[in-house]
Amino acid sequence: AQKVTQAQTEISVVEKEDVTLDCVYETRDTTYYLFWYKQPPSGELVFLIRRNSFDEQNEISGRYSWNFQKSTSSFNFTITASQVVDSAVYFCALIMGDNYGQNFVFGPGTRLSVLP
Amino acid sequence: NAGVTQTPKFRVLKTGQSMTLLCAQDMNHEYMYWYRQDPGMGLRLIHYSVGEGTTAKGEVPDGYNVSRLKKQNFLLGLESAAPSQTSVYFCASSNGKVNEQFFGPGTRLTVL
Repeated sequence: AQKVTQAQTEISVVEKEDVTLDCVYETRDTTYYLFWYKQPPSGELVFLIRRNSFDEQNEISGRYSWNFQKSTSSFNFTITASQVVDSAVYFCALIMGDNYGQNFVFGPGTRLSVLP
Repeated sequence: NAGVTQTPKFRVLKTGQSMTLLCAQDMNHEYMYWYRQDPGMGLRLIHYSVGEGTTAKGEVPDGYNVSRLKKQNFLLGLESAAPSQTSVYFCASSNGKVNEQFFGPGTRLTVL
């Protein structure tokens, strides 16, 4: 069965601090895809990144970076020099790449509060 | 483009009442989904559709029905609402099973 764990329920940091959000996943498939979504206080869900299981290269986008490590089944998300606008709930998600079923599994989310 | 829209935004029901949530997308996506979001549980898939005229069950389908008569619309029905169905409901669409999903703004449903 698939599972996504985000052990950090809530994190508070002061603006300009770096923060890492952890995501650990479980799947028996060799082909799978990992995602991060952001849910700001306004409620909508915003796509941040998708990574497939064959691409372990780390990704950087501005202040955001992602570290994918298959050896530890982790796909962690780091925000550098955090800003108040980064305050949101962040979800990690996983889907298998097979041709049947639709097991898109979300983690429980991590609520990040960036204080001024 | 409006993207994914949901109607209504808020609704209060009494136990046993029925209602239909409407989701519409203008991106010509084949895949559409209905999720519910409850505190501390992330999003859970209720039903999904891989194309017009098709529907399938997700993780938590009991108490819900869906229909996809038109490619752009995906309806979620509650035949007899229960307090346990109090939640925020999100619709999403994508152009492929493993591609990013685009989400609607959500519907906050309260069942008394």
